[in-house]
Amino acid sequence: DAGITQSPRHKVTETGTPVTLRCHQTENHRYMYWYRQDPGHGLRLIHYSYGVKDTDKGEVSDGYSVSRSKTEDFLLTLESATSSQTSVYFCAISRGGSYNEQFFGPGTRLTVL
Amino acid sequence: GESVGLHLPTLSVQEGDNSIINCAYSNSASDYFIWYKQESGKGPQFIIDIRSNMDKRQGQRVTVLLNKTVKHLSLQIAATQPGDSAVYFCADASNFGNEKLTFGTGTRLTIIP
Repeated sequence: DAGITQSPRHKVTETGTPVTLRCHQTENHRYMYWYRQDPGHGLRLIHYSYGVKDTDKGEVSDGYSVSRSKTEDFLLTLESATSSQTSVYFCAISRGGSYNEQFFGPGTRLTVL
Repeated sequence: GESVGLHLPTLSVQEGDNSIINCAYSNSASDYFIWYKQESGKGPQFIIDIRSNMDKRQGQRVTVLLNKTVKHLSLQIAATQPGDSAVYFCADASNFGNEKLTFGTGTRLTIIP
């Protein structure tokens, strides 16, 4: 998994509770991404980061926030989880620039009851 | 909006035969394409990529073909093995804003023993 870990790997929570997912990389890549994957949809970008403290929204950012205080860590927070946020979440990293592939972590399965 | 999609959601191939997975893209500015493989319960794994200045690129048992005229991409897997059973995604990016990929929904490839 290209030096990418995600924690937790599985989580069950209740509606209205805050949830934070962590992505950690050992590759010193500049770009980090959070995606969600749902049946019938391709991977959809939630937020991404292009450097420490530099983040931007993706196509499905509502209800999510992110933070990146260190190169190696990218946190995804659901301030008040909803059932529609039940999904599998993937972190990815990239060196950035032209023609650079993204490498994915193992994923976090989140269930919001 | 611009989208990347796949012609067939499922494909079954006899072990040892060749398989072809297709992908259509609509963004005329796309100039970089990637194929990913995703096994059950795992994150997407990079297989092969191709830039728009190429028509064909070969890897180990895989070949990607790019037809820019009709905006079509295909992944050929030679001599399929049981371990090739997975979901395959194509993704594209444009040189402008190249740090973000757009993913298709995927094709599930099943290898029949």
